Amino acid sequence: DAKTTQPPSMDCAEGRAANLPCNHSTISGNEYVYWYRQIHSQGPQYIIHGLKNNETNEMASLIITEDRKSSTLILPHATLRDTAVYYCIVRVVNFGNEKLTFGTGTRLTIIP
Amino acid sequence: DTEVTQTPKHLVMGMTNKKSLKCEQHMGHRAMYWYKQKAKKPPELMFVYSYEKLSINESVPSRFSPECPNSSLLNLHLHALQPEDSALYLCASRGPLLNTEAFFGQGTRLTVV
Repeated sequence: DAKTTQPPSMDCAEGRAANLPCNHSTISGNEYVYWYRQIHSQGPQYIIHGLKNNETNEMASLIITEDRKSSTLILPHATLRDTAVYYCIVRVVNFGNEKLTFGTGTRLTIIP
Repeated sequence: DTEVTQTPKHLVMGMTNKKSLKCEQHMGHRAMYWYKQKAKKPPELMFVYSYEKLSINESVPSRFSPECPNSSLLNLHLHALQPEDSALYLCASRGPLLNTEAFFGQGTRLTVV
């Protein structure tokens, strides 16, 4: 699976959009970009994923560059409950033989 | 039901004890995972089961023994652990369709004394 690079920490004001970048310059054509977050001492929570196109769901938007070497997770109106570690993962969809490897993630702190 | 249930939530065990962690899901998922997470570190993959068969073992010491007795249940048997094995143990499952996400349980906080 391709390696990802994320900033170790970020702050965002409550109510503003939080933009979390992820570099995955070695991504292959059949690898998806997944985002999870982990609130302190809880299990990771799925947020969103995509392959080429931008994606949006009720939690967030995912913007993937045209060359697919980087992506940005956008939380449109951050709340205090969005304080968490956010993980960007790229993986081949190879059911039952995939590793879903976590990188070091970005610790996002929402400031009141 | 989109839940992965792990029991117990907390476990304290001595180095000579034998204990088991349990993970259950009723989503019909056929891939199940065990992860280990130390404080302030990302989760590290330990084992992957696919259709009740072990497909990936990330060179985990034999004192950790996984078992998948049926498609809904995943166990992790623990024996002769060391204090450095103290960690949060996470279970996850995923459905068979292409590009579906994995669901994680809330973990078992293990302390080895």
